[in-house]
Amino acid sequence: DTGVSQNPRHKITKRGQNVTFRCDPISEHNRLYWYRQTLGQGPEFLTYFQNEAQLEKSRLLSDRFSAERPKGSFSTLEIQRTEQGDSAMYLCASSYGRTQETQYFGPGTRLLVL
Amino acid sequence: AQKITQTQPGMFVQEKEAVTLDCTYDTSDPSYGLFWYKQPSSGEMIFLIYQGSYDQQNATEGRYSLNFQKARKSANLVISASQLGDSAMYFCAMREKGYRRVAGTASKLTFGTGTRLQVTL
Repeated sequence: DTGVSQNPRHKITKRGQNVTFRCDPISEHNRLYWYRQTLGQGPEFLTYFQNEAQLEKSRLLSDRFSAERPKGSFSTLEIQRTEQGDSAMYLCASSYGRTQETQYFGPGTRLLVL
Repeated sequence: AQKITQTQPGMFVQEKEAVTLDCTYDTSDPSYGLFWYKQPSSGEMIFLIYQGSYDQQNATEGRYSLNFQKARKSANLVISASQLGDSAMYFCAMREKGYRRVAGTASKLTFGTGTRLQVTL
């Protein structure tokens, strides 16, 4: 399978706990995006990496959220001190910098904070 | 103002019929791209079709075509010969290329709220 992969697919946690999600992009893609999708809404942009550099962050990404892409390959998204409002689907996408630059998405990680 | 507007929360279509899903957008950027994605109940976003703002012809990909009307800022998705497997959420998205941006930086996708399509027998 050469698509974008995400782990875990599902995560249930208690309020106040920390969680970490992983995204493995398509191997030749240099750009990686994180989005959050809540019920009944379209995905909302969180942050973007070009290689290992984090180039853009949304105001949605509070201080409790941190993302890394240490070697320009896989990426992690960590949420500290989770709140019930963090419950959502977290989607990762990757692309290669060309004119069209289609973003290809992974299956997502569904987070439920109790 | 919403950048992407999808006014149809839900649509029904009979199998083998064609259906049009509406999308209007708002941008002052002269260079942008418009995308349609399909999201089945499993959750994965599947890329369907792309239209660039400078493309002269409407995009087509198999049974999918994009009715691009630049002056009206609309980019409607047309699915021909609907199949039961087409039942899913459909999202319209825009990427503003941001001509003032530093060269080499990419732009996020802005999504609409989606249209749920149900294909019936």
